[in-house]
Amino acid sequence: DIEMTQSPSSLSVSIGDRVTITCRASQSISKYLNWYQQKPGRAPNLLVYGTFTLQSGVPSRFSGSGSGTDFTLTISSLQPEDLATYYCQQTFTTPYTFGQGTKLEIK
Amino acid sequence: QLLLQESGPGLVKPSETLSLTCNVSDGSISRSIYYWGWIRQSPGKGLEWLGTVNSIGTSYYTPSLKSRVSISVDPSQSQFSLRLTSVTAADTAVYYCARLTGDAAFDSWGQGTLVTVSS
Repeated sequence: DIEMTQSPSSLSVSIGDRVTITCRASQSISKYLNWYQQKPGRAPNLLVYGTFTLQSGVPSRFSGSGSGTDFTLTISSLQPEDLATYYCQQTFTTPYTFGQGTKLEIK
Repeated sequence: QLLLQESGPGLVKPSETLSLTCNVSDGSISRSIYYWGWIRQSPGKGLEWLGTVNSIGTSYYTPSLKSRVSISVDPSQSQFSLRLTSVTAADTAVYYCARLTGDAAFDSWGQGTLVTVSS
């Protein structure tokens, strides 16, 4: 199985901060990296797919980058509604695997 | 807008079979470009992909559950189903159904249903 490792596991942030979350794959996954946002009691919500492409309706302050084994999700200016847990996921090969999550909390 | 809705028992006894159904609100279940999958999340833990299948029966399952898990699609009823046999307490989780697009991402999710395995 491909192991996905996110860092950090949690992050204390302030509104307006530029936030960067990193995801590393245990082997190359080309561009098959997705990012999801999950709020408490809710299902995950797709933010970015194929490393770079923003899902329809997702604010432009979110962006994704990377290739091979190292990927990044960036929030350019954190808004209150962005406080959530973020997961990366590889769909390069089955079993599709997720990172352990990065929880954003108010500083 | 696509809506997915899980249904099924919230309590299952150990060693029995967990069965859940996901209703798909639009006609996209019949399009072979889409796969339909189940993902679970144990309390306080991360996300685990269980498997995906499309309308023509092409299926993929996680090896860790391969002998216990099966997913079927019924386009005539616009629904797909999960069966997980011989459950234990470790299978207690919130179970989500979701659609996998041709871009290999889960773009639509059900709201999730908590299944507890307990006698």
